[in-house]
Amino acid sequence: KAGVTQTPRYLIKTRGQQVTLSCSPISGHRSVSWYQQTPGQGLQFLFEYFSETQRNKGNFPGRFSGRQFSNSRSEMNVSTLELGDSALYLCASSLGDGYTFGSGTRLTVV
Amino acid sequence: QKEVEQNSGPLSVPEGAIASLNCTYSDRGSQSFFWYRQYSGKSPELIMSIYSNGDKEDGRFTAQLNKASQYVSLLIRDSQPSDSATYLCAVKGNTPLVFGKGTRLSVIA
Repeated sequence: KAGVTQTPRYLIKTRGQQVTLSCSPISGHRSVSWYQQTPGQGLQFLFEYFSETQRNKGNFPGRFSGRQFSNSRSEMNVSTLELGDSALYLCASSLGDGYTFGSGTRLTVV
Repeated sequence: QKEVEQNSGPLSVPEGAIASLNCTYSDRGSQSFFWYRQYSGKSPELIMSIYSNGDKEDGRFTAQLNKASQYVSLLIRDSQPSDSATYLCAVKGNTPLVFGKGTRLSVIA
């Protein structure tokens, strides 16, 4: 059974650019959540999607957006990148309560 | 602001000893409690879930929950060097999963 797949694994972007990250959940999982992980702040919640609808949104600026497609795949977009957006972005899928994480996308903003 | 607090560590224990990791949470409405293990450079991996007061054992791991004290713990028996990692406590109520910042465990051979 395939796990949660995130692409790309690594990204280097310049300040001011935008970026799109992709997440394919475990087959059958309709809930997808996104987290940002940094050494100082730990894992911080970005969004949660279920059946193409955003169910919850974390305390991040509007530059961070996301969506979910009918096949449950999800994307998140960050516009006008800032140095502070450098982080590991993790996607997790869920059938119930337990979340399974993908390997993450390591974003570096220079 | 729903919070989950953990001692950041590092917690150092000798091989074969019991490692005790603790977590407190602020939201009394929390219903589901999880422990994740994260190796350096890797993503978090779910190792235990607990939903009701008391103990839950799975191999060398025991999770303990006390809702009245808003306290969750993880015991690792017969600790091995391969257990060296950061352990994340996570709590869920009617909100998305909220994580603590993790406790770094080092098992010394």
